[in-house]
Amino acid sequence: NAGVTQTPKFQVLKTGQSMTLQCAQDMNHEYMSWYRQDPGMGLRLIHYSVGAGITDQGEVPNGYNVSRSTTEDFPLRLLSAAPSQTSVYFCASSYGGARGRSANYGYTFGSGTRLTVV
Amino acid sequence: GNSVTQMEGPVTLSEEAFLTINCTYTATGYPSLFWYVQYPGEGLQLLLKATKADDKGSNKGFEATYRKETTSFHLEKGSVQVSDSAVYFCALSGSYSGGGADGLTFGKGTHLIIQP
Repeated sequence: NAGVTQTPKFQVLKTGQSMTLQCAQDMNHEYMSWYRQDPGMGLRLIHYSVGAGITDQGEVPNGYNVSRSTTEDFPLRLLSAAPSQTSVYFCASSYGGARGRSANYGYTFGSGTRLTVV
Repeated sequence: GNSVTQMEGPVTLSEEAFLTINCTYTATGYPSLFWYVQYPGEGLQLLLKATKADDKGSNKGFEATYRKETTSFHLEKGSVQVSDSAVYFCALSGSYSGGGADGLTFGKGTHLIIQP
């Protein structure tokens, strides 16, 4: 089925470990973004990309790296995990280009990765 | 910067009651506005949207009108069902690019509980 696929669904890390959260979409969307969801905080933007080779920081980028080598994939890397990074992570994608396309379709979200850092 | 403020819950209603969840925003220019819904253990689903002032978004009996004069996008439903129990998020897409390239800004979410 077309959509945004996130792996893994669950992950437990020890403090200081590194890992990559995977995100792939098969809708040929230009825009992709990563969010973290914490209780009482809503969703906060970590990093975003407007196309292959182009990324930028969102509201809470510290401790996270991203790259966008293809249109389809947008992995999120934690270089040295900390307990403060315990959260649910969501990847999302959208059409880009002319204003109307992204606004009219909105963002499609993946089902999330629940990460616990101990 | 952009921000979204929505009423915090939980909001508890009886089945068939009228629902209003308030949402106000701060943004420059002309953002697009969205309501997303999250069911337990799932990701976010787009519920409805509006891309310009006075637009009304609607879906599954829910409605919201983009009010630029009051910078609001309140969610309403005339008769809620138990199956509407979920967390509802108000969001806006960045206006400087016009097309949401810089992702979405979310409110903190409103947990809605509908009792039979």
